[in-house]
Amino acid sequence: DQQVKQNSPSLSVQEGRISILNCDYTNSMFDYFLWYKKYPAEGPTFLISISSIKDKNEDGRFTVFLNKSAKHLSLHIVPSQPGDSAVYFCAATRGDKLTFGTGTRLAVRP
Amino acid sequence: EAQVTQNPRYLITVTGKKLTVTCSQNMNHEYMSWYRQDPGLGLRQIYYSMNVEVTDKGDVPEGYKVSRKEKRNFPLILESPSPNQTSLYFCASSPRLAGLELFFGEGSRLTVL
Repeated sequence: DQQVKQNSPSLSVQEGRISILNCDYTNSMFDYFLWYKKYPAEGPTFLISISSIKDKNEDGRFTVFLNKSAKHLSLHIVPSQPGDSAVYFCAATRGDKLTFGTGTRLAVRP
Repeated sequence: EAQVTQNPRYLITVTGKKLTVTCSQNMNHEYMSWYRQDPGLGLRQIYYSMNVEVTDKGDVPEGYKVSRKEKRNFPLILESPSPNQTSLYFCASSPRLAGLELFFGEGSRLTVL
């Protein structure tokens, strides 16, 4: 039972444009939502998070939006850069448990 | 340098031969966790620990054991590895529970023949 889902396995975007990565979840009891970025041969690195009581959090080029009624989370990257090419995982916490989605591979074309 | 260190990074073994993947963090984090990454399945939590001597099962604990005798170390033990445990394993730690901003190791690629 996949509680956190990333339905798009891949996304290709032109450099300078907006990248929008999506994530859906089924458990309304999640406390926090997070995004991690993973390059090949490296461990994932934390990118940005949002509390379940908020609907938006921004950090530089990265903004996370939370729509609780739709149980939907999205990550916006503006402007996209070639160095953003990586696999992005969304994740959600409930207490001390963290559940990851299956990942979306983002390719930013120069 | 703040880091999470896993060893070995690569290992090929045979079915039934016990092995341990070590994990050590130098950030004095209370929370530590193990994940496995498989194609199409993302990262799945195996075990986690909120503090010394406190461990709990994640989503896929079958076939694995852990221990947390010291704050900095959280080894993953495969008592009798099987081919379905061939995977990429990640150890992670976090300074707090809320939000769980994890710091990951570089990964250990395990192949069980």
